[in-house]
Amino acid sequence: AQSVTQLGSHVSVSEGALVLLRCNYSSSVPPYLFWYVQYPNQGLQLLLKYTTGATLVKGINGFEAEFKKSETSFHLTKPSAHMSDAAEYFCAVARSGGYQKVTFGTGTKLQVIP
Amino acid sequence: DGGITQSPKYLFRKEGQNVTLSCEQNLNHDAMYWYRQDPGQGLRLIYYSQIVNDFQKGDIAEGYSVSREKKESFPLTVTSAQKNPTAFYLCASIPGGPGTGELFFGEGSRLTVL
Repeated sequence: AQSVTQLGSHVSVSEGALVLLRCNYSSSVPPYLFWYVQYPNQGLQLLLKYTTGATLVKGINGFEAEFKKSETSFHLTKPSAHMSDAAEYFCAVARSGGYQKVTFGTGTKLQVIP
Repeated sequence: DGGITQSPKYLFRKEGQNVTLSCEQNLNHDAMYWYRQDPGQGLRLIYYSQIVNDFQKGDIAEGYSVSREKKESFPLTVTSAQKNPTAFYLCASIPGGPGTGELFFGEGSRLTVL
């Protein structure tokens, strides 16, 4: 079984401040990990993913995440928030190999204050 | 451009009526998925299909039905048996074969039952 926990359903940051969105996962096998972003009334778009190799993963729009196996975490960060970053962010986990059943967290809404 | 097209984007129906949501993809992906999204609950898997003429129940299949007669199409019917059908519905796909689990999403369909 696999699961994802996102800490904080709402996060507010000031424009230019650090963005930190937390994600912890549970998986019985080596996981694939993802962060997706969703703007209102739209589908989800992939920000970044970890499969194997380098544990620090860089994505689009200046976001990055670090896979920490010992902490079962995959937190999303961005050094300086922009107004356009306001959206809902979902962490997701999948089993490595084969067709995937992807499990999503409950999401974190990011508000950016000018 | 390749992508996933969902229609209609907004749909209103009276209680007790069946409704069918369309999902078409031209990405040549083998696997297709339907998710339901409710505020604060993340995405929950309704049905998925790995190949034509085959599909499996997800976590919340009761009150829903699907078909997969063509690789490009995976329509979802919300039946009158679904107790709380008002939600945002997302269709997604994954390329065939051992992959990374990255989902490609449509823009979603918002169903409101009056």
